Amino acid sequence: DVKVTQSSRYLVKRTGEKVFLECVQDMDHENMFWYRQDPGLGLRLIYFSYDVKMKEKGDIPEGYSVSREKKERFSLILESASTNQTSMYLCASSPGSANYGYTFGSGTRLTVV
Amino acid sequence: DQQVKQNSPSLSVQEGRISILNCDYTNSMFDYFLWYKKYPAEGPTFLISISSIKDKNEDGRFTVFLNKSAKHLSLHIVPSQPGDSAVYFCAATLDNAGNMLTFGGGTRLMVKP
Repeated sequence: DVKVTQSSRYLVKRTGEKVFLECVQDMDHENMFWYRQDPGLGLRLIYFSYDVKMKEKGDIPEGYSVSREKKERFSLILESASTNQTSMYLCASSPGSANYGYTFGSGTRLTVV
Repeated sequence: DQQVKQNSPSLSVQEGRISILNCDYTNSMFDYFLWYKKYPAEGPTFLISISSIKDKNEDGRFTVFLNKSAKHLSLHIVPSQPGDSAVYFCAATLDNAGNMLTFGGGTRLMVKP
């Protein structure tokens, strides 16, 4: 069974901390994505990557950065966490065809206090 | 400004009846549309997709209809089952490569036994 694994289910961090969210996929997918989910706003794209060491900004990249050193791993970094970054973070990967959609991880619920 | 909108935040239907979830979009360049289902504490799962060159796609109990002139798509679930209770997101992309999906805000479907 194909999988996208997010390292933490729940995280609580303090304002100003540097936060790392890790995501690993075992499907050899080219594309990986980071979204955040907020009530009424759906899923909003933060960053995506279509190859190792490549990254593209999504709709809401401010306050975030990403790293993709290996094909299977895509990390989201909050340089200095703020309370408005409290959210559900979802990682996804795709083979590059909309016919198959994305495969999502289970999400990380981040609370910044 | 949201390019993909789901105007009904929730929908309640009786088991065995039809569920109709609606989605509107503003960008006429969207080329591919997808529906995802999300259970609590899980990532969204891909349900069904449709290309802009089609007006209908069917997969078992799920059918997606696309009306390009109205910039509207809908997901029909027949017959509805209690296990269908979840949040449903519609999504759109500018190309068949499935990059940068734009999601709607979601509709919570409740199917009553």
